[in-house]
Amino acid sequence: EVVLTQSPLTLSVSPGERATLSCRASQSVARDLAWYQQKPGQAPRLLIYAASTRATGIPARFSGSGSGTEFTLTISSLQSEDFGIYYCQQYNNWPPYTFGQGTKLEIK
Amino acid sequence: EVQLVESGGTVVQIGGSLRLSCTASGFTFDDYTMHWVRQAPGKGLEWVSLISWDASYSYYAGSVTGRFTISRDNSNKSLYLQMSSLTPEDTAIYYCAKDRSGFGFDSWGPGTLVTVSS
Repeated sequence: EVVLTQSPLTLSVSPGERATLSCRASQSVARDLAWYQQKPGQAPRLLIYAASTRATGIPARFSGSGSGTEFTLTISSLQSEDFGIYYCQQYNNWPPYTFGQGTKLEIK
Repeated sequence: EVQLVESGGTVVQIGGSLRLSCTASGFTFDDYTMHWVRQAPGKGLEWVSLISWDASYSYYAGSVTGRFTISRDNSNKSLYLQMSSLTPEDTAIYYCAKDRSGFGFDSWGPGTLVTVSS
């Protein structure tokens, strides 16, 4: 089973600043990695797939990078609506599909 | 617009059974693999099961293998999860999710809460 480790667990960033979230895989997942945003009381929303491709309707301030075992989600200029928990997910080696434990992004 | 709506969540006793449903609209349901994902209170996301577009194959997380069964009815655009031998560790919000043709899960329902309690 591929274990995904996200860091940091909590991130506090001021509006307008850059936020950088990391996801490390226990073995290579190539570029088969997605990022999701989840707000309280809501279902997750797909932000990024194939490591760097934005999903439909996702603003350009969200970008993904990486391959193999190291991945990054960057929010270039944080907006107040970007708070929430961000999860990475691998779909290279399944079953099972696995998720990271999440990074809680707080607006400072 | 893609819509997924789960139902069937309730309070159930330890050792009991429950069937969840997910009704789909806004896309060609029988073109896509579908998933169940759960989230225990205050915890992260856990993939539970998937079923292929034609139900020719299905897979399960180790934590539910032998207790849960996924199925689908393409004529009614519905996905199901039959759960049995439930334990408190199965307490969670259960989401159905649409597979983005092998690139993540691009649509999710709002979820249905299952509480397993004595």
